[in-house]
Amino acid sequence: DARVTQTPRHKVTEMGQEVTMRCQPILGHNTVFWYRQTMMQGLELLAYFRNRAPLDDSGMPKDRFSAEMPDATLATLKIQPSEPRDSAVYFCASGRFLRGTEAFFGQGTRLTVV
Amino acid sequence: TQLLEQSPQFLSIQEGENLTVYCNSSSVFSSLQWYRQEPGEGPVLLVTVVTGGEVKKLKRLTFQFGDARKDSSLHITAAQPGDTGLYLCAGAAVMIYNQGGKLIFGQGTELSVKP
Repeated sequence: DARVTQTPRHKVTEMGQEVTMRCQPILGHNTVFWYRQTMMQGLELLAYFRNRAPLDDSGMPKDRFSAEMPDATLATLKIQPSEPRDSAVYFCASGRFLRGTEAFFGQGTRLTVV
Repeated sequence: TQLLEQSPQFLSIQEGENLTVYCNSSSVFSSLQWYRQEPGEGPVLLVTVVTGGEVKKLKRLTFQFGDARKDSSLHITAAQPGDTGLYLCAGAAVMIYNQGGKLIFGQGTELSVKP
């Protein structure tokens, strides 16, 4: 059963530390999304890629966040330096771009910055 | 900026009642999707509607896409405790300069169905 795999599932880190979250999209999917979910803001789109090329990262704080796809099997989201306000659940989702990409989500990375 | 507004944000009902969740926007979408999310898990796709006016049924769930492709509704008939969860609508942006497919989510509707 194909699924999106995210690691780690949980991360607790101190303010100022670098955090790297990883995502393995479903094989054959050409679109990858990164979302952040909080109670206050809901699911916010941070960035998305098609065929490994970044299409839109306007939802991401550029000074501290970066997203890459080094190859088709790996997407990464980095925060450097991390801040307490970055505490949230980060989801990766993948899909095949058609008229409207249907997203298949991973289980998320719960990040706590203390 | 494309925004999707969902209402209500919270809904607590008794088993057997009917309910409707609304998803509205001023933007046109190429398609609209509904997801359900349970605690500790990622959202799971329920349905995609593509054509204006389209109606899709999934057992006791009925999904409708507005004629203008700007809004959608989810109706649940005879709700059961197993329907409890967070329901999210998501709009896929219209294709512009090969940058379509951007998926924007509404805030979600937290549904609680009590036995």
